[in-house]
Amino acid sequence: QVQLVESGGGVVQPGRSLRLSCAASGFTFSGYGMHWVRQAPGTGLEWVAGLWYDGNNKYYADSVKGRFTISRDNSKNTLYLQMNSLRAEDTAVYYCVRDQRRIPVGATFGYWGQGILVSVSS
Amino acid sequence: QSVLTQPPSASGTPGQRVTISCSGSNSNIGGNTINWYQQLPETAPKLLIYNNNQRPSGVPDRFSGSKSGTSASLAISGLQSEDEADYYCAAWDDRLIGVVFGGGTKLTVL
Repeated sequence: QVQLVESGGGVVQPGRSLRLSCAASGFTFSGYGMHWVRQAPGTGLEWVAGLWYDGNNKYYADSVKGRFTISRDNSKNTLYLQMNSLRAEDTAVYYCVRDQRRIPVGATFGYWGQGILVSVSS
Repeated sequence: QSVLTQPPSASGTPGQRVTISCSGSNSNIGGNTINWYQQLPETAPKLLIYNNNQRPSGVPDRFSGSKSGTSASLAISGLQSEDEADYYCAAWDDRLIGVVFGGGTKLTVL
C-alpha cells in the first residue's frame, strides 16, 4: 500500500534552515507529481509547493517563493523540502502528498503522509 | 484570506442532507476541476471528491460534488455522526500558477 513518511521536522530559530524528507513506498515514485501542504495550528490547509514526476518543473506558493525549494530523488524514492530563512509564520504541520497525475496541475491529492511538525521559535 | 471561499461552519442532524459551498473565480474553479477533502480530527486530510464529482474507491455514495461556473458544492446525504469533520475545497489556479484551498468548513452533526 502507498506510504509516505515525513522526517526532519522540529524546533528551529527564526532565520535558520531546515530540510524535510519524505520517504515513499508502495507505488512507482517516479510516475507521480508530488507536493508539500502545510497546516498551521488551528487553521486550514495551505499548499506550499509541487513538482513534476521527473522534477523538471516546480511550483511554489507566493508565501514561500525564494525561501523554500522542493526537490526529489527518484533513485531514492524520496521527496525533499529545503526551508531557508524560516519565519514564525512557517510554523505548521507539513504533509507530503502524492498527486494522482505525473504533471500535478489538478490539485488532486490522492495520498497524504501523517505530517510532521515544524516549529519556528526563538 | 483564502482564494476560495467556504462557509466556516455547517451543521445538520443525523439523516439530513447538508451542502457546503465553495466560491472562486475564472482562474481557478471556472477553468479547472474542483476537489474536496475531508479531515477528521487529529488526522491527515483524505481525498473525498475529485474532478468535480468523482468519488475515489471506498468513499460512500452519500457524498457527491457538483460545479457550475465559478462555484462548486459538496453534498452529504444521510448525515452520520462520523461525518463530523473539516471539509476543504481545492483547485489549480492558472493566474497564481499553484493550488488554492478554501478556508475549510467545520461540519457538526447535532
